[in-house]
Amino acid sequence: NAGVTQTPKFRILKIGQSMTLQCTQDMNHNYMYWYRQDPGMGLKLIYYSVGAGITDKGEVPNGYNVSRSTTEDFPLRLELAAPSQTSVYFCASSYVSGPYEQYFGPGTRLTVT
Amino acid sequence: EDQVTQSPEALRLQEGESSSLNCSYTVSGLRGLFWYRQDPGKGPEFLFTLYSAGEEKEKERLKATLTKKESFLHITAPKPEDSATYLCAVHLAIYGGSQGNLIFGKGTKLSVKP
Repeated sequence: NAGVTQTPKFRILKIGQSMTLQCTQDMNHNYMYWYRQDPGMGLKLIYYSVGAGITDKGEVPNGYNVSRSTTEDFPLRLELAAPSQTSVYFCASSYVSGPYEQYFGPGTRLTVT
Repeated sequence: EDQVTQSPEALRLQEGESSSLNCSYTVSGLRGLFWYRQDPGKGPEFLFTLYSAGEEKEKERLKATLTKKESFLHITAPKPEDSATYLCAVHLAIYGGSQGNLIFGKGTKLSVKP
């Protein structure tokens, strides 16, 4: 099992550009999540999904979009990149909802200039 | 106002010098408390889940405990390879939602010198 994989590892965007951060898990988990981690701050939930075709907003969804067409994939879309979106993005998954552990990918470091 | 507070922000230990990290929370409706380890440039790695006050879990040199308002991560005789940032997160039951929500603290950066 590769677990949770994310691509790319690093990316530099110019203001106004768009991109998609890819996330794939091979653990057959129903639940998937996107977090961002800023220096000196805790992880913040952007969006989550409880299964294919079902997504919902987390704490900081503005400026992002997601889709979930398969159990394995949960891409995060940035439409008009802004400097405030400079961050490290982590995708995670869990088998069930509730107080159960989430498994994290290695992260994507994004810089918007 | 932070709902999950970790202290200290940074901790430097000598190899073999035992200590504890603290995670205090002010939320209600706690369903679980998680500890993760995060190495530089990597994603958080799951360590423990604690569900009720009085519960304890151990893994090698790490022992996590939970009270009604805080959790401690005790590190016994640490080694340099224990150097990492340790994250605490709490899981809440949100009204009308089945998924709940994880709230993370800012972490404690642990450095263990040989």
